[in-house]
Amino acid sequence: GQNIDQPTEMTATEGAIVQINCTYQTSGFNGLFWYQQHAGEAPTFLSYNVLDGLEEKGRFSSFLSRSKGYSYLLLKELQMKDSASYLCAVMDSNYQLIWGAGTKLIIKP
Amino acid sequence: TAGITQAPTSQILAAGRSMTLRCTQDMRHNAMYWYRQDLGLGLRLIHYSNTAGTTGKGEVPDGYSVSRANTDDFPLTLASAVPSQTSVYFCASSDRGGGAYNEQFFGPGTRLTVL
Repeated sequence: GQNIDQPTEMTATEGAIVQINCTYQTSGFNGLFWYQQHAGEAPTFLSYNVLDGLEEKGRFSSFLSRSKGYSYLLLKELQMKDSASYLCAVMDSNYQLIWGAGTKLIIKP
Repeated sequence: TAGITQAPTSQILAAGRSMTLRCTQDMRHNAMYWYRQDLGLGLRLIHYSNTAGTTGKGEVPDGYSVSRANTDDFPLTLASAVPSQTSVYFCASSDRGGGAYNEQFFGPGTRLTVL
């Protein structure tokens, strides 16, 4: 079957760095997405990886290792507004997104 | 630009009643999707449409139907609602190209409670 695993909840301190991991087993692979979802709102796109390596976008970076079925989202210089759920999703061979349950990130002052 | 709109924002529905959730996008995206989001679970695909005039079943299609008469609209119908359909429903669209063009844009969601 298809499976996306990510931690349920993480806590970090304002100004610090946090890494959210995602492991996956899917039927085919056409890229991995990270989305941010604030409570009560819609998911919004953060990043996309299809090749191995690190993609940096401001305070956020995303890493992919296809051979290990592994990705992480790295958030630097955490701000209170980064408190949200972070969703990992893999595009399978049918170009459908398979979603993880999300990681709720709590930022403390 | 509106992007994707959904209506209603929220609804309480008696079990056994029917209801249509509306979704409209103005980005001229080819593909549209309906997801449900339940606590502790990832977004689950209900139905999708790769282009106007075509639809397909996702992971959890039972009890739901869709139509795609034109590019902009993708309504989701519950023929006879049951309490297990209580959820938050998100509509999304994408340009259906390769790579990052498969980014999906989400509507604000419809919170449905079936009693």
